[in-house]
Amino acid sequence: QVVVTQSPSASASLGASVKLTCTLSSGHISYAIAWHQQQPEKGPRFLMKVNRDGTYNKGDGIPERFSGSSSGTERHLTISSLRSEDEADYYCQTWDTGIRVFGGGTKLTV
Amino acid sequence: QVQLVESGGGVVQSGRSLRLSCAASGFSLSNYDMHWVRQAPGRGLEWVAVTWQDGTTKYSADSVMGRFTISRDSSRNAMYLQMNSLRPEDTAIYYCAKDSGRGDYGGPLDHWGQGTPVTVSS
Repeated sequence: QVVVTQSPSASASLGASVKLTCTLSSGHISYAIAWHQQQPEKGPRFLMKVNRDGTYNKGDGIPERFSGSSSGTERHLTISSLRSEDEADYYCQTWDTGIRVFGGGTKLTV
Repeated sequence: QVQLVESGGGVVQSGRSLRLSCAASGFSLSNYDMHWVRQAPGRGLEWVAVTWQDGTTKYSADSVMGRFTISRDSSRNAMYLQMNSLRPEDTAIYYCAKDSGRGDYGGPLDHWGQGTPVTVSS
């Protein structure tokens, strides 16, 4: 079964950029993933889908500061021009027939 | 626009049952797979169950299999989660989420509700 792994924490300064990584388990290099943001005390929000080839499709109203990329079994979320409201938990999610799988989440401190 | 509103959460004793509801608007639930996802206090997201667009095919996580049943009522544009034999470890916020697709072409969860809290006391 596919597994996705994330670093538990990351930090960056206001106005800077940060790149978060989601790593797919061995044998699942072709899988796409989704990124979700969860601000404190709020429900999750879909950010984007990132494909194997590095193309990405963002959700409604997601700012241009958010972008995706891919390298091997890694799928990335890059946030540029960091704002205080970007401080949140970020989850990657993948899927197989009948199941959805979440990573443990990365807590981003700005 | 797409809206998902959960209800039915509360405090319940271990071993008892609870039924959660998810009211959908802004889209036809009959065209998409729909999911329940939960988040225990201080923990990450855990996928719970899915009901496919066909209304028949359902899958659930091992942790709830045999205890939780997902269903949908397309005439009401609503989805449900019947939770039986509840355990303290089922304590969590339960979110309803819409899939971006359906069946073998399902994938990212592209819209989420605000969640409904469930507390199971021992």
